[in-house]
Amino acid sequence: EAQVTQNPRYLITVTGKKLTVTCSQNMNHEYMSWYRQDPGLGLRQIYYSMNVEVTDKGDVPEGYKVSRKEKRNFPLILESPSPNQTSLYFCASSFLPGTNYEQYFGPGTRLTVT
Amino acid sequence: EDKVVQSPLSLVVHEGDTVTLNCSYEVTNFRSLLWYKQEKKAPTFLFMLTSSGIEKKSGRLSSILDKKELFSILNITATQTGDSAIYLCAASRDTGRRALTFGSGTRLQVQP
Repeated sequence: EAQVTQNPRYLITVTGKKLTVTCSQNMNHEYMSWYRQDPGLGLRQIYYSMNVEVTDKGDVPEGYKVSRKEKRNFPLILESPSPNQTSLYFCASSFLPGTNYEQYFGPGTRLTVT
Repeated sequence: EDKVVQSPLSLVVHEGDTVTLNCSYEVTNFRSLLWYKQEKKAPTFLFMLTSSGIEKKSGRLSSILDKKELFSILNITATQTGDSAIYLCAASRDTGRRALTFGSGTRLQVQP
């Protein structure tokens, strides 16, 4: 089954404790992206990657890191989480834009930083 | 700064009504406008629009893009309770940055 998976689905942590949210897709997509969703603000892009070893900042990259060492995986790293990073996070993937730019979203990770 | 604005923010209708959701954008090097539906989980893709004036349809949903006036609308006819969701629009750029900018969404509630 074609899908994007994220782990963990729920996470409660404390300020400053490094964490990683994993994202994996099995559709051989070149493009992967991380978003956060906050009430009233919609989805905001954190980082994206157009292929292995190619990453770039989205609209809200501060406090986050990513890596793309393999095509299928795109982990999101919070080196020193803070309460303002409490949010719902989505990973998404697609083939590179052409005639079809449909993005497939993972199920989401709800992060709470206390 | 790129911007996508959706209106209304929230809408309550009765089954059978027709609704129109609006999305305006200001995006440098605009490429396409996408619509997503989000229920209690991840967004699911509805439409991608690249050219002005060409309506895309899927059952009771349809959408059109106006690249001159920089907006898109999503129409839902004969609404059903299953249409209740947040509808998101997003604009993509035609540059090496391929990033998407989302609007804040329209929350649609369809009452029986």
